Amino acid sequence: SAVISQKPSRDICQRGTSLTIQCQVDSQVTMMFWYRQQPGQSLTLIATANQGSEATYESGFVIDKFPISRPNLTFSTLTVSNMSPEDSSIYLCSASGTKYEQYFGPGTRLTVT
Amino acid sequence: QQQVKQSPQSLIVQKGGISIINCAYENTAFDYFPWYQQFPGKGPALLIAIRPDVSEKKEGRFTISFNKSAKQFSLHIMDSQPGDSATYFCAAKQVLPDYKLSFGAGTTVTVRA
Repeated sequence: SAVISQKPSRDICQRGTSLTIQCQVDSQVTMMFWYRQQPGQSLTLIATANQGSEATYESGFVIDKFPISRPNLTFSTLTVSNMSPEDSSIYLCSASGTKYEQYFGPGTRLTVT
Repeated sequence: QQQVKQSPQSLIVQKGGISIINCAYENTAFDYFPWYQQFPGKGPALLIAIRPDVSEKKEGRFTISFNKSAKQFSLHIMDSQPGDSATYFCAAKQVLPDYKLSFGAGTTVTVRA
Protein backbone atom coordinates (compact mmCIF):
# COMPACT_ATOMS: atom_id res chain seq x y z
CA SER A 1 0.00 0.00 0.00
CA ALA A 2 1.00 3.63 -0.38
CA VAL A 3 0.94 6.16 2.44
CA ILE A 4 0.00 9.63 1.25
CA SER A 5 0.45 12.89 3.11
CA GLN A 6 -0.92 16.30 2.20
CA LYS A 7 -0.03 19.81 3.27
CA PRO A 8 -1.74 21.90 4.47
CA SER A 9 -4.41 19.86 6.21
CA ARG A 10 -6.74 22.86 6.21
CA ASP A 11 -6.68 26.52 5.33
CA ILE A 12 -8.90 29.56 5.27
CA CYS A 13 -8.18 31.85 2.33
CA GLN A 14 -9.49 35.12 1.01
CA ARG A 15 -11.22 35.28 -2.34
CA GLY A 16 -8.95 36.15 -5.24
CA THR A 17 -5.91 34.48 -3.72
CA SER A 18 -4.30 31.14 -4.61
CA LEU A 19 -3.40 28.10 -2.52
CA THR A 20 -0.95 25.35 -3.40
CA ILE A 21 -1.58 21.91 -1.91
CA GLN A 22 1.30 19.48 -1.68
CA CYS A 23 1.00 15.70 -1.92
CA GLN A 24 3.81 13.33 -0.93
CA VAL A 25 3.70 9.54 -1.39
CA ASP A 26 6.01 7.26 0.60
CA SER A 27 6.91 5.17 -2.46
CA GLN A 28 7.18 5.62 -6.20
CA VAL A 29 3.79 5.37 -7.86
CA THR A 30 2.65 5.15 -11.43
CA MET A 31 -0.45 7.29 -11.26
CA MET A 32 -1.40 10.31 -9.17
CA PHE A 33 -4.79 11.98 -9.15
CA TRP A 34 -6.50 14.99 -7.60
CA TYR A 35 -10.12 14.88 -6.43
CA ARG A 36 -12.57 17.32 -4.93
CA GLN A 37 -15.18 16.32 -2.37
CA GLN A 38 -17.94 18.61 -1.19
CA PRO A 39 -19.15 17.88 2.36
CA GLY A 40 -21.55 14.94 2.33
CA GLN A 41 -20.90 14.26 -1.35
CA SER A 42 -18.99 11.78 -3.44
CA LEU A 43 -15.59 12.30 -4.99
CA THR A 44 -15.10 14.19 -8.25
CA LEU A 45 -11.93 13.71 -10.27
CA ILE A 46 -10.23 16.99 -11.11
CA ALA A 47 -7.26 15.66 -13.08
CA THR A 48 -4.64 13.00 -13.52
CA ALA A 49 -1.16 14.28 -12.67
CA ASN A 50 1.25 12.98 -15.28
CA GLN A 51 4.93 12.78 -14.45
CA GLY A 52 6.96 14.85 -16.87
CA SER A 53 4.01 16.13 -18.88
CA GLU A 54 0.89 18.26 -18.56
CA ALA A 55 -1.92 16.99 -16.37
CA THR A 56 -5.06 15.54 -17.94
CA TYR A 57 -8.13 17.47 -16.80
CA GLU A 58 -11.70 16.25 -16.49
CA SER A 59 -14.61 18.08 -18.02
CA GLY A 60 -15.35 21.24 -16.06
CA PHE A 61 -11.82 21.70 -14.74
CA VAL A 62 -9.19 23.79 -16.50
CA ILE A 63 -5.46 24.24 -16.13
CA ASP A 64 -5.65 27.99 -15.54
CA LYS A 65 -7.82 27.42 -12.47
CA PHE A 66 -6.20 24.23 -11.18
CA PRO A 67 -2.56 24.07 -12.32
CA ILE A 68 -0.91 20.79 -11.37
CA SER A 69 2.71 19.78 -11.20
CA ARG A 70 4.27 16.36 -10.87
CA PRO A 71 8.05 16.67 -10.91
CA ASN A 72 8.76 13.06 -9.90
CA LEU A 73 7.15 9.72 -9.03
CA THR A 74 6.37 10.58 -5.40
CA PHE A 75 5.27 14.23 -5.36
CA SER A 76 2.57 16.43 -6.86
CA THR A 77 1.03 19.83 -6.23
CA LEU A 78 -2.40 21.25 -6.98
CA THR A 79 -2.93 25.00 -7.01
CA VAL A 80 -6.39 26.47 -6.63
CA SER A 81 -6.13 29.85 -8.34
CA ASN A 82 -8.12 33.06 -8.00
CA MET A 83 -10.31 31.44 -5.39
CA SER A 84 -13.99 32.13 -4.83
CA PRO A 85 -16.29 30.80 -2.08
CA GLU A 86 -17.45 28.11 -4.55
CA ASP A 87 -13.96 26.59 -4.31
CA SER A 88 -14.53 25.78 -0.64
CA SER A 89 -14.21 22.02 -0.52
CA ILE A 90 -12.00 19.10 0.46
CA TYR A 91 -9.20 18.39 -1.98
CA LEU A 92 -7.83 14.86 -2.02
CA CYS A 93 -4.65 13.48 -3.50
CA SER A 94 -4.70 9.86 -4.66
CA ALA A 95 -2.09 7.46 -5.98
CA SER A 96 -1.80 4.04 -7.60
CA GLY A 97 1.38 2.01 -7.50
CA THR A 98 -0.20 -0.91 -9.35
CA LYS A 99 -2.86 -1.19 -12.03
CA TYR A 100 -5.61 -1.64 -9.48
CA GLU A 101 -5.20 -0.48 -5.88
CA GLN A 102 -5.65 3.25 -5.39
CA TYR A 103 -5.04 5.08 -2.12
CA PHE A 104 -6.06 8.49 -0.83
CA GLY A 105 -4.46 11.13 1.30
CA PRO A 106 -6.17 12.69 4.32
CA GLY A 107 -7.41 15.67 2.35
CA THR A 108 -7.01 19.43 2.52
CA ARG A 109 -10.02 21.31 3.83
CA LEU A 110 -10.24 24.66 2.10
CA THR A 111 -12.54 27.47 3.12
CA VAL A 112 -12.67 30.60 0.97
CA THR A 113 -14.09 33.75 2.55
CA GLN B 1 -23.78 11.01 -15.46
CA GLN B 2 -22.91 8.67 -12.65
CA GLN B 3 -21.45 5.42 -13.95
CA VAL B 4 -21.92 3.59 -10.65
CA LYS B 5 -25.27 3.73 -8.87
CA GLN B 6 -25.21 3.10 -5.12
CA SER B 7 -28.02 2.44 -2.66
CA PRO B 8 -29.24 3.07 -0.06
CA GLN B 9 -28.15 6.64 0.68
CA SER B 10 -28.11 5.83 4.38
CA LEU B 11 -28.90 2.97 6.69
CA ILE B 12 -29.15 2.33 10.40
CA VAL B 13 -28.35 -1.07 11.84
CA GLN B 14 -28.23 -2.45 15.35
CA LYS B 15 -24.96 -3.63 16.79
CA GLY B 16 -24.39 -7.21 15.70
CA GLY B 17 -26.61 -6.85 12.65
CA ILE B 18 -25.75 -7.05 8.96
CA SER B 19 -25.29 -3.95 6.80
CA ILE B 20 -25.82 -4.39 3.06
CA ILE B 21 -24.93 -1.79 0.44
CA ASN B 22 -25.65 -2.32 -3.23
CA CYS B 23 -24.05 -0.95 -6.39
CA ALA B 24 -24.82 -1.30 -10.07
CA TYR B 25 -22.84 -0.37 -13.16
CA GLU B 26 -23.31 -0.29 -16.92
CA ASN B 27 -19.80 -0.21 -18.33
CA THR B 28 -18.76 -3.83 -18.94
CA ALA B 29 -15.16 -2.67 -19.42
CA PHE B 30 -14.80 -2.05 -15.69
CA ASP B 31 -12.32 -4.59 -14.33
CA TYR B 32 -11.76 -3.67 -10.70
CA PHE B 33 -14.36 -2.94 -8.03
CA PRO B 34 -13.14 -1.48 -4.72
CA TRP B 35 -15.00 -0.30 -1.65
CA TYR B 36 -13.80 2.65 0.40
CA GLN B 37 -14.59 3.54 4.00
CA GLN B 38 -14.49 7.18 5.02
CA PHE B 39 -14.73 8.57 8.53
CA PRO B 40 -15.60 12.24 9.10
CA GLY B 41 -12.59 14.46 8.53
CA LYS B 42 -10.53 11.67 6.98
CA GLY B 43 -9.66 10.56 3.47
CA PRO B 44 -11.27 7.44 1.97
CA ALA B 45 -9.52 4.21 2.98
CA LEU B 46 -9.44 1.19 0.68
CA LEU B 47 -11.47 -1.46 2.50
CA ILE B 48 -11.83 -4.42 0.16
CA ALA B 49 -11.86 -4.97 -3.60
CA ILE B 50 -12.77 -7.61 -6.16
CA ARG B 51 -12.00 -8.45 -9.77
CA PRO B 52 -14.85 -9.61 -12.06
CA ASP B 53 -13.52 -13.17 -12.37
CA VAL B 54 -14.47 -13.82 -8.73
CA SER B 55 -18.02 -13.94 -7.35
CA GLU B 56 -17.22 -13.35 -3.70
CA LYS B 57 -14.40 -12.05 -1.55
CA LYS B 58 -14.30 -12.01 2.21
CA GLU B 59 -11.95 -10.15 4.52
CA GLY B 60 -12.85 -10.45 8.17
CA ARG B 61 -16.38 -9.14 8.68
CA PHE B 62 -16.50 -7.55 5.21
CA THR B 63 -17.67 -9.47 2.13
CA ILE B 64 -18.09 -8.37 -1.46
CA SER B 65 -20.60 -10.27 -3.57
CA PHE B 66 -20.23 -9.78 -7.32
CA ASN B 67 -22.78 -10.66 -10.01
CA LYS B 68 -21.20 -10.10 -13.40
CA SER B 69 -24.28 -10.97 -15.46
CA ALA B 70 -26.45 -8.54 -13.49
CA LYS B 71 -23.68 -5.92 -13.38
CA GLN B 72 -24.15 -5.56 -9.64
CA PHE B 73 -21.97 -5.86 -6.58
CA SER B 74 -22.60 -5.43 -2.91
CA LEU B 75 -20.83 -4.99 0.40
CA HIS B 76 -21.96 -6.97 3.42
CA ILE B 77 -20.77 -5.95 6.87
CA MET B 78 -21.37 -8.81 9.26
CA ASP B 79 -21.68 -8.36 13.03
CA SER B 80 -21.77 -4.58 12.56
CA GLN B 81 -20.02 -2.57 15.30
CA PRO B 82 -20.35 1.08 16.33
CA GLY B 83 -16.82 1.60 14.99
CA ASP B 84 -18.12 0.68 11.52
CA SER B 85 -20.23 3.86 11.49
CA ALA B 86 -18.85 5.68 8.44
CA THR B 87 -19.61 6.53 4.84
CA TYR B 88 -18.96 3.74 2.35
CA PHE B 89 -18.29 4.34 -1.34
CA CYS B 90 -18.33 1.70 -4.02
CA ALA B 91 -16.23 2.36 -7.09
CA ALA B 92 -15.26 0.83 -10.40
CA LYS B 93 -12.10 1.15 -12.41
CA GLN B 94 -11.39 0.59 -16.09
CA VAL B 95 -7.65 0.06 -16.06
CA LEU B 96 -7.24 0.88 -19.73
CA PRO B 97 -6.96 3.45 -21.07
CA ASP B 98 -6.76 5.84 -18.14
CA TYR B 99 -6.95 4.00 -14.76
CA LYS B 100 -9.79 6.26 -13.64
CA LEU B 101 -12.08 5.35 -10.75
CA SER B 102 -15.82 6.02 -10.98
CA PHE B 103 -17.45 6.43 -7.57
CA GLY B 104 -20.92 5.74 -6.29
CA ALA B 105 -22.76 8.43 -4.35
CA GLY B 106 -21.94 6.93 -0.97
CA THR B 107 -23.87 5.28 1.87
CA THR B 108 -23.79 6.57 5.42
CA VAL B 109 -23.94 3.65 7.83
CA THR B 110 -24.89 4.22 11.45
CA VAL B 111 -24.51 1.31 13.86
CA ARG B 112 -26.54 1.74 17.04
CA ALA B 113 -25.15 0.19 20.21
